[in-house]
Amino acid sequence: RKEVEQDPGPFNVPEGATVAFNCTYSNSASQSFFWYRQDCRKEPKLLMSVYSSGNEDGRFTAQLNRASQYISLLIRDSKLSDSATYLCVVNTANDYKLSFGAGTTVTVRA
Amino acid sequence: GAVVSQHPSRVICKSGTSVKIECRSLDFQATTMFWYRQFPKQSLMLMATSNEGSKATYEQGVEKDKFLINHASLTLSTLTVTSAHPEDSSFYICSATGQKQETQYFGPGTRLLVL
Repeated sequence: RKEVEQDPGPFNVPEGATVAFNCTYSNSASQSFFWYRQDCRKEPKLLMSVYSSGNEDGRFTAQLNRASQYISLLIRDSKLSDSATYLCVVNTANDYKLSFGAGTTVTVRA
Repeated sequence: GAVVSQHPSRVICKSGTSVKIECRSLDFQATTMFWYRQFPKQSLMLMATSNEGSKATYEQGVEKDKFLINHASLTLSTLTVTSAHPEDSSFYICSATGQKQETQYFGPGTRLLVL
């Protein structure tokens, strides 16, 4: 079983729509959680960390459910520039290694 | 934020040759650097972790004699793909953390194509 699993999508949404997707992780000892954004043929860039109480950064809201071992990302009022692959990233051990999901592709259309 | 560079950004080589990729932290001292590989439509897979001045720690299934990693200074780590073959064609990305190791900063990646 993969450490981090994501629905690959693609999620095709019109501008202004809300889109949400989840990611599940297998190791209950996981400690830190992140969403990264990766544009085509580019390196991943940190979008936001995910905190236990849930957190919001502008149009982006992240939630963590430790009991069910999943995290979610919600994008409100989608922009064309939100089109990207969103990577769910989990840090499990105390050695700062990151485990990446394969990504969820979001395409926002005009 | 912190800046990490990689060189070259892309390389095309013949099968059997060796390719060296450099990863540099430009504005901070990177105590730890990570090397990843990403195949199309797949997740980033950690290959190895390197700490300055010590031997790299390789992930299971990664051949240390094929992927040579050197982390000789706090701002530079190199990955050498020895005797590259077409199946080594991939997107190689490094990341670096500072002393606090709170965040990994990623380089722009190197796209390797072995013919």
